[in-house]
Amino acid sequence: SQQGEEDPQALSIQEGENATMNCSYKTSINNLQWYRQNSGRGLVHLILIRSNEREKHSGRLRVTLDTSKKSSSLLITASRAADTASYFCAISSGGSYIPTFGRGTSLIVHP
Amino acid sequence: KAGVTQTPRYLIKTRGQQVTLSCSPISGHRSVSWYQQTPGQGLQFLFEYFSETQRNKGNFPGRFSGRQFSNSRSEMNVSTLELGDSALYLCASSLTGTGVYEQYFGPGTRLTVT
Repeated sequence: SQQGEEDPQALSIQEGENATMNCSYKTSINNLQWYRQNSGRGLVHLILIRSNEREKHSGRLRVTLDTSKKSSSLLITASRAADTASYFCAISSGGSYIPTFGRGTSLIVHP
Repeated sequence: KAGVTQTPRYLIKTRGQQVTLSCSPISGHRSVSWYQQTPGQGLQFLFEYFSETQRNKGNFPGRFSGRQFSNSRSEMNVSTLELGDSALYLCASSLTGTGVYEQYFGPGTRLTVT
């Protein structure tokens, strides 16, 4: 199973701004998930997007998937200090349903 | 519904010792996976158990082992601890056995090997 690569590695913004992070991968996928991790604690599932889907929303979160570019993006609108966390993409591909996690994007939202 | 629980939350062990970590999945979830998270390697998959059987295994040495009980609770064991085993160990449970594998993570066990 392949690993996604998040970009940027770190992102620092002001409260109220939008935050965009990307995940690129190399070969076709079954689905892609985004998770959030607060300061060395467990991961929280945010959104799952299947390979035949292009966009999904959940509250202030918007995830897009471009299979032709082999990339996904996570947009957090009107960010809050509480959004400060690391964000990971997790990819399931091939015959494996076990997702492989990328190295993550560290987001800091300044109040 | 109670979330995934892991015990203990923090652990300090000495090189050469062994350690057992415990994970209780969300009620009704039959799949439990274990991950090791370190700053250098990120999140790495250890193994997955489903209905008391190890169904998938990551690329870790045999010192890392696990098991699952009939109530879906799982334990992982690391024998002959090395300094490099210091990490956050995360357990995750999933309702479905295959297909769309959405995982719910516990808070982790922080293991420090001295």
